Amino acid sequence: GAVVSQHPSRVICKSGTSVKIECRSLDFQATTMFWYRQFPKKSLMLMATSNEGSKATYEQGVEKDKFLINHASLTLSTLTVTSAHPEDSSFYICSAPPRSSIKETQYFGPGTRLLVL
Amino acid sequence: GDSVTQMEGPVTLSEEAFLTINCTYTATGYPSLFWYVQYPGEGLQLLLKATKADDKGSNKGFEATYRKETTSFHLEKGSVQVSDSAVYFCALSKGGGNKLTFGTGTQLKVEL
Repeated sequence: GAVVSQHPSRVICKSGTSVKIECRSLDFQATTMFWYRQFPKKSLMLMATSNEGSKATYEQGVEKDKFLINHASLTLSTLTVTSAHPEDSSFYICSAPPRSSIKETQYFGPGTRLLVL
Repeated sequence: GDSVTQMEGPVTLSEEAFLTINCTYTATGYPSLFWYVQYPGEGLQLLLKATKADDKGSNKGFEATYRKETTSFHLEKGSVQVSDSAVYFCALSKGGGNKLTFGTGTQLKVEL
């Protein structure tokens, strides 16, 4: 099946620094990718929709200047957590629907664990 | 807004036991309903889905029926295996799009 990778799988950073997380579709193209955040024992919460060639669309309550999203190509989206704080510690997951797939088909990355000290 | 509620875990079963994981939803209109599974260290994978009332989704021995009258989409399997140990997420989407609203996930552990 189709594969989505995320890098890094785990990252620890100091408070105030920025962290970039990559989401790649390895064997298909995606004009749209989704970024989710998962808190312990909570559901995945959609943060934003990454759009190739245009600005990302953020969900209500998500700070766009805090979570910068860039859809650099049809196979790569990045999420940068700027000036990270301990409350940004979480599990970040991306998903990508193939450009040429039937509707409601998408593939998820394995997630990135962020710990801000 | 839309929401999905699923039973709290973890659920621990013996191999060959019957599994039910409850899922109910709140949404306007006619959402599509999904069950995703996440095995340790891997990304979420679509297990099954149903797009309209009374549809039954099935895959790998798992089944779920879209019940509009009870706004439910309970996951069932007649005989679980150790390899079914994973976290199961119920989710919905609307309008044929890919934005998903997830439940909190239910961890299943199957023991010999």
